[in-house]
Amino acid sequence: AQRVTQPEKLLSVFKGAPVELKCNYSYSGSPELFWYVQYSRQRLQLLLRHISRESIKGFTADLNKGETSFHLKKPFAQEEDSAMYYCALSGLRGNFNKFYFGSGTKLNVKP
Amino acid sequence: DVKVTQSSRYLVKRTGEKVFLECVQDMDHENMFWYRQDPGLGLRLIYFSYDVKMKEKGDIPEGYSVSREKKERFSLILESASTNQTSMYLCASTLSTEAFFGQGTRLTVV
Repeated sequence: AQRVTQPEKLLSVFKGAPVELKCNYSYSGSPELFWYVQYSRQRLQLLLRHISRESIKGFTADLNKGETSFHLKKPFAQEEDSAMYYCALSGLRGNFNKFYFGSGTKLNVKP
Repeated sequence: DVKVTQSSRYLVKRTGEKVFLECVQDMDHENMFWYRQDPGLGLRLIYFSYDVKMKEKGDIPEGYSVSREKKERFSLILESASTNQTSMYLCASTLSTEAFFGQGTRLTVV
């Protein structure tokens, strides 16, 4: 079965502290992994995807196939990073891509 | 910019009513999805559609149905609304492997 696990419901850090949001997945195939973010009163939007290997708003995520993890990291958290973060997996089923989301982690960055 | 628009931000309906949630996308995407978003449970897939008139059940289809008569429009139907269907509903359309979301409809069933 396909599954995305985010073990932390809530993560609170102080401004300037490093942050790591954990994500583990199980999938029988070659998935694509993503992080989506939802700021207060805004729609869910793509933050980054593993295939682009880029840093967005200071966040990075490395796909570790051995550990089936895709943790999101930022060395110095900012207050504007406070949001709900969802790890997602996209896998091909037949001719279309199906998306599976984790349960989400709420990041609270304190001043 | 891809736009996915859900017809209502907030809805209040009575138990037993038939409820329609509408979603329109303007980028000619073939795949469209309906999720419900609940605290602690994340996004759970209700139904998805990969073409006009084609639909597949997601993980929690019970009590819901969908309609896709035109490529740009994907409707979620609650046949007989119940209080446990009070939730935030998100529509998404996908281009290849990226999903674009609507702003959400917060449905309250009283």
